[in-house]
Amino acid sequence: DSGVTQTPKHLITATGQRVTLRCSPRSGDLSVYWYQQSLDQGLQFLIHYYNGEERAKGNILERFSAQQFPDLHSELNLSSLELGDSALYFCASSQQGGSGELFFGEGSRLTVL
Amino acid sequence: GENVEQHPSTLSVQEGDSAVIKCTYSDSASNYFPWYKQELGKGPQLIIDIRSNVGEKKDQRIAVTLNKTAKHFSLHITETQPEDSAVYFCAPSYGNNRLAFGKGNQVVVIP
Repeated sequence: DSGVTQTPKHLITATGQRVTLRCSPRSGDLSVYWYQQSLDQGLQFLIHYYNGEERAKGNILERFSAQQFPDLHSELNLSSLELGDSALYFCASSQQGGSGELFFGEGSRLTVL
Repeated sequence: GENVEQHPSTLSVQEGDSAVIKCTYSDSASNYFPWYKQELGKGPQLIIDIRSNVGEKKDQRIAVTLNKTAKHFSLHITETQPEDSAVYFCAPSYGNNRLAFGKGNQVVVIP
């Protein structure tokens, strides 16, 4: 158990819909990262938050947004969903924002029909 | 951004044999080189990492070696066991201490 909690574990929805994925980092970790994992693209970095502030953006679509709340949990919002958004979405946390161990949750599997 | 390649994409080994997987990267400024293991249905987990001031690091049956000149680092697993079957990702650092994950190596240990 990494200590990172993601909900929901599975989500099935239709094209055009909007979903919210939730992440609770390990106790004491200030950084939260979101990654998308699909079969042909591996782990793609989406966005990084540190203590409530956005620190870095990766290959995140404009239809996607995220935030980190004062209690350090984070939410990833995916809107106007397309079939190609079907993937595993992982949240990871770390103590600081620099290079060091990332602790991953078990992921949220999104299926868009 | 960082270009990361992992070879071979799939590796099958007999139980007890050694497995070696290699990661090449493009950013000469990378200074942190971790390997993550992902088991089926789980998130990736760090198994070993190395920083650029060290050439090799061992932890029981696993080791990582770094060749900064050639811009590659490798994961070595000795005396492989069925529980070593997983997908392994390298994730060299780049830019502002971000990690660039490769596409992964599937390791299959045949009992």
